[in-house]
Formats: sequence, structure tokens, C-alpha cells
Amino acid sequence: DQQVKQNSPSLSVQEGRISILNCDYTNSMFDYFLWYKKYPAEGPTFLISISSIKDKNEDGRFTVFLNKSAKHLSLHIVPSQPGDSAVYFCAARFGNEKLTFGTGTRLTIIP
Amino acid sequence: ETGVTQTPRHLVMGMTNKKSLKCEQHLGHNAMYWYKQSAKKPLELMFVYNFKEQTENNSVPSRFSPECPNSSHLFLHLHTLQPEDSALYLCASSQSRTDPLAYGYTFGSGTRLTVV
Repeated sequence: DQQVKQNSPSLSVQEGRISILNCDYTNSMFDYFLWYKKYPAEGPTFLISISSIKDKNEDGRFTVFLNKSAKHLSLHIVPSQPGDSAVYFCAARFGNEKLTFGTGTRLTIIP
Repeated sequence: ETGVTQTPRHLVMGMTNKKSLKCEQHLGHNAMYWYKQSAKKPLELMFVYNFKEQTENNSVPSRFSPECPNSSHLFLHLHTLQPEDSALYLCASSQSRTDPLAYGYTFGSGTRLTVV
């Protein structure tokens, strides 16, 4: 039973446009959400996070939105750049429990 | 430099071989993790160590044997693996329960394992 789902395995976006990556979760106890970015042959690196007490967190070109009623979060990247091409993992956590990861979305930025 | 170093980066082994993966962190973290990443699957948590003690084993086959001699080092000993065990094996670390976990885990670059 997958508690964190990324239903789009891949996404292609034109350079300069907005990239929107989506993530859904089933466990309403999750209180912290994170996005990781992964390049080929490298480990995931932390990108941005959001606590369940917030509905938006912004860091430069990256913004994460949380809709608790819909159990949905999204990552917005604007403007998209070629270096953003990577696999993006959504992760969620309850309290001090381990992170639960989604399957990832491969983002390709088209020059 | 991620702060978590994994060696080797690539490993090809036969089904009868014995090999070990190594992970090292000097971030002062107290928790370490082994993850497996296979194609089109979520990151699969294998083992968790907190303060050198194993606190979680996610029903991992006994052909994978972890070892954590101290909070900075983590090993994964491999023996009699199967071709389906071929995957990217990732090590991660984090602060323990006192950590606000604002940044989650710090991952290593992984070991790409191929079992032939």
C-alpha cells in the first residue's frame, strides 16, 4: 500500500515555463513533506520542505504548496531551467518516523 | 560533496560472490539508513540504525547483512545475491529523534550493483 504517490512518471516542460510536479498522500497523520531531486548516478538531494501547519513555502524558483484537505502537494519551478532536468521525489513523514517516498517524476526541460 | 560517502560507486558481482558496500558520514548524525532503488519503484527502505543499534529491518532477505560499528560507518554485506537484486543502493543519514528534520536525510551517491 503506497502512502505517497506520484502519478506522473514523467513530465516535459519548455525552458522558461513553469514546471508543476504533483504528489498525493493517503496518511492524514503526515506532518512534514519534503521534495528531493536526483540526478543520474547520484543520490537524492534535499530541495525544499513544508510543515503541515503551512500551505506554502517558497525558496527562490521553487515553491511547494500543500492542500491538506485534498492530501495533495505540488512543487512549482519557475522559470524552468535545463539544469532542473532530474527525477523529483516527494517524501512525507509523521513525527519522528522514517520518511516515506513516492516513485518519482522524471522532469525534462526542453531548451 | 554530500557529506555521505559510499564506496564502491559501481560493483559487478557473481551470484556466488561475497562483497560489502561501505557508507561513511561525518555530519555528526546518529541515524543511518540503507535504501534500495530499483527502476520504476519507490525508494525501498531496507535497514535503519539509530546510535549503532538496528531499529528497523524491512523484511530484507538474509543475503543482505548490515553492520554498523559506529555512528559514522555503515556496511552492507552481500552474499549469494540474485540478478533481481541488481539496483542502486543508497545510504542516508540524519540526526536522530531530536532533529527538527527540516532537511530530512542526507544521501550518498549510491552504489550501482549488478549481479550476474
